[in-house]
Amino acid sequence: QKEVEQNSGPLSVPEGAIASLNCTYSDRGSQSFFWYRQYSGKSPELIMSIYSNGDKEDGRFTAQLNKASQYVSLLIRDSQPSDSATYLCAVNPYTGRRALTFGSGTRLQVQP
Amino acid sequence: GAGVSQSPSNKVTEKGKDVELRCDPISGHTALYWYRQSLGQGLEFLIYFQGNSAPDKSGLPSDRFSAERTGGSVSTLTIQRTQQEDSAVYLCASSLGGGAFSSYEQYFGPGTRLTVT
Repeated sequence: QKEVEQNSGPLSVPEGAIASLNCTYSDRGSQSFFWYRQYSGKSPELIMSIYSNGDKEDGRFTAQLNKASQYVSLLIRDSQPSDSATYLCAVNPYTGRRALTFGSGTRLQVQP
Repeated sequence: GAGVSQSPSNKVTEKGKDVELRCDPISGHTALYWYRQSLGQGLEFLIYFQGNSAPDKSGLPSDRFSAERTGGSVSTLTIQRTQQEDSAVYLCASSLGGGAFSSYEQYFGPGTRLTVT
């Protein structure tokens, strides 16, 4: 079982719709969770971090965390073609280890 | 302020040669990380520095890989006797040190694309 799992996609949504990206993780003691956006040929860009159960909103982005279900998600409201990218879920386990474990990413396509 | 910088942006080398990749973290960030991303693959952790020490080297794939950090700032990743499977984008990230959750937020540089021919 992979430590951080994401559906590779592509997830295709029409412009203006809500895109929902999901991620599950295996280490129950994980404490820090991150979403990165990676455009083709570019490096990952941190867009959201979440540390406690519930929702965290930042502009059009909402991160949701459910530690009991070991599940984290990212919602993108009013999706724009410029949101088309690969979204990487990253988890930091509560082991004193600072390295992030990344999922393989979900490719999002927003159709104009 | 300035982000993480890496050099060179691209490096083409012949199999068997040694290469050095450089990373300059965000000013004030005491933690520095190296990852690599192979074509179509996820990010693979290589090594973590806190200050000049490397408490986690668990991701280095072989003894051909080494890294150092001097002055708590610039880091160099060295790959000796390069092999074709070393071809990848090598990414450096930095974060604040300390125990707060926010100190785990890592910011990536633009990467170095290494091609071994």
